[in-house]
Amino acid sequence: DAGVIQSPRHEVTEMGQEVTLRCKPISGHDYLFWYRQTMMRGLELLIYFNNNVPIDDSGMPEDRFSAKMPNASFSTLKIQPSEPRDSAVYFCASSFSGNEQFFGPGTRLTVL
Amino acid sequence: QQQVKQSPQSLIVQKGGISIINCAYENTAFDYFPWYQQFPGKGPALLIAIRPDVSEKKEGRFTISFNKSAKQFSLHIMDSQPGDSATYFCAASSLGGNEKLTFGTGTRLTIIP
Repeated sequence: DAGVIQSPRHEVTEMGQEVTLRCKPISGHDYLFWYRQTMMRGLELLIYFNNNVPIDDSGMPEDRFSAKMPNASFSTLKIQPSEPRDSAVYFCASSFSGNEQFFGPGTRLTVL
Repeated sequence: QQQVKQSPQSLIVQKGGISIINCAYENTAFDYFPWYQQFPGKGPALLIAIRPDVSEKKEGRFTISFNKSAKQFSLHIMDSQPGDSATYFCAASSLGGNEKLTFGTGTRLTIIP
C-alpha cells in the first residue's frame, strides 16, 4: 500500500486566495483525520470523519475552513479566503476502526 | 479544555544515555495514551501506547511509565542512538482508542555522539 497520499506537498498562495488540500486515505480505512501543525500550537485536530461522515469538526478554526469526504478514498480541506495566519503544515491521517492512525507526508502551506 | 502538557520542549542527550520526556493531563476521562515519533519532513508515526490499567509498557528500548494518580506519563528511551533524533509527541484520548487524539506540543530530541 502506498500509505496516505496528500497533494500538493507544498502550496504558496497569496492572501485572499482559495486553497484546496487533498487526501487519499489508505484503502479499507474507515476513519480520516485532518490536522494542522505549527510551531506555536503544535499538532491540532481540525476535523475527523467516520465512514465519510463528519463526526467532530470542533477544531475547525472558523468558517473559512471546510472539509468534505465525498467517498471513502478522497477528502478535501478547503480554506477560502486564505490568510497569512493559516500558514502551517496540514496533515491527513487515516485509521481502521480506531486503531493506529497513519499520517500522510503533509502539505506545507504558505500564505503570503 | 482538554489539554496535554509536554516537557521539555527540546532535549539533548549523549549517545548511549537515557532520554526522558514527560507529559501531564487534566481530563480524568482519558484512557489511551500513545506516543508518536516524527522525523523532519514526515508525518508522525505511532511509537508505543499504553492504557491506564498498567503502570508500565516496554517495547525494545522504549518504555512508557504511567502514574494514574498524578495524571502523568513519560517516555523513556534507553541507550539513545543518533537515529532516535526526532520530535516526539505524547497524546491522549478518552474514547479508548485513536479517535480524537489530543496531542502535546512536542519535544525535539537530539542525540549527540
